[in-house]
Amino acid sequence: EAQVTQNPRYLITVTGKKLTVTCSQNMNHEYMSWYRQDPGLGLRQIYYSMNVEVTDKGDVPEGYKVSRKEKRNFPLILESPSPNQTSLYFCASSIQGAYNEQFFGPGTRLTVL
Amino acid sequence: GENVEQHPSTLSVQEGDSAVIKCTYSDSASNYFPWYKQELGKGPQLIIDIRSNVGEKKDQRIAVTLNKTAKHFSLHITETQPEDSAVYFCAAVTGTASKLTFGTGTRLQVTL
Repeated sequence: EAQVTQNPRYLITVTGKKLTVTCSQNMNHEYMSWYRQDPGLGLRQIYYSMNVEVTDKGDVPEGYKVSRKEKRNFPLILESPSPNQTSLYFCASSIQGAYNEQFFGPGTRLTVL
Repeated sequence: GENVEQHPSTLSVQEGDSAVIKCTYSDSASNYFPWYKQELGKGPQLIIDIRSNVGEKKDQRIAVTLNKTAKHFSLHITETQPEDSAVYFCAAVTGTASKLTFGTGTRLQVTL
């Protein structure tokens, strides 16, 4: 089944404890991106990757890191999480760029205490 | 950068009625406008999109219109059904095809 998977789906952590949210797609898509969803703010892009080894900042990159070593994986790293990073996170992929249909993962709900 | 405003934030309609959600964008270079539907507990899914060389597009009960001069586009859902209840997001893409800018979402509730 063609899909985007994220792990974990739920995570409660404490301030400053490094964490990684994994994202994987099995559709051979070039483009991958991360969004955070907050009430009243909609979906805001954190980082995106046009293809392997190419990543760039979205609208809200502060406090996040990403890497794209393989085509299928695009992990989101929070080196030192803070409470303002409590949010619902979505990974998405498309065959090529933002002009094509974005396929979203199921989301990761992160709480930072 | 691009800024997308979306209204209303919540919308309640009776089953069978029509629903309209409106978005405005700031960058006149934006040329692709998708709409996504997010059901409870799931990721958003594309339901319809329109490119800037088209004024209107329809897919069964869903239609999207685009007014490039006024820089706004709208989603129209006719004969609404309970399964249309969800959060709807508009978005705009500009230039280099690298990023989407989403609106803040509309929670649509279809009541029986």
